[in-house]
Amino acid sequence: EIVMTQSPATLSVSPGERATLSCRASQSVSTNLAWYQQKPGQAPRLLIYDASTRATGFPARFSGSGSGTEFTLTINSLQSEDFAVYHCQHYNNWPRGTFGQGTKVEIK
Amino acid sequence: EVQLLDSGGGLVQPGGSLRLSCGAFGFTFSRTAMNWVRQAPGKGLEWVSSISYSGDTTYYADSVKGRFTISRDNSKNTLYLQMNSLSAEDTAVYYCAKDIPHGQWGQGTLVTVSS
Repeated sequence: EIVMTQSPATLSVSPGERATLSCRASQSVSTNLAWYQQKPGQAPRLLIYDASTRATGFPARFSGSGSGTEFTLTINSLQSEDFAVYHCQHYNNWPRGTFGQGTKVEIK
Repeated sequence: EVQLLDSGGGLVQPGGSLRLSCGAFGFTFSRTAMNWVRQAPGKGLEWVSSISYSGDTTYYADSVKGRFTISRDNSKNTLYLQMNSLSAEDTAVYYCAKDIPHGQWGQGTLVTVSS
């Protein structure tokens, strides 16, 4: 089983600053990597797929990069609505899409 | 509008059973693979089970294999998860999710296993 490890567990950022989240796979998943945003009491929402393609409805300040085992989600100029938990998930061997443990982006 | 509506959660005793349902709207359900994902209180997301668009092929996480059964009724646009031999470790919000990556999620239904 491919293990996904996210870091840090919690990221404290001031509004307007940049947040950089990391997701590492225990073996290569090519670019079969998604990021989800989850706000309290809500279901997750697809944010990025295929490692770098932004899903419908998300602004350009969100970007994803990486391939193989190392992936990054960058949020430029954080807005109040961006404070949430972000989960990465690989889907290299559908349907076993293992998730990372999540990174909480909180207001500093 | 694409929509998934989860239902069927509740309080159940250890060793008990529960059946979750997920109604699908706004897309061709019969041509779409579907999934169940759960989230224990304060924890991350865990893939539980998936089913092919026809229902012919099913997949399970090791943690639920032999206890949970995923199924679908394409004539009713509904996905199911039959959960047997439940334990406290199964307490979670259960979400149905469309495709992979999961482009649409249900609102979730809470399953609490407790005596």
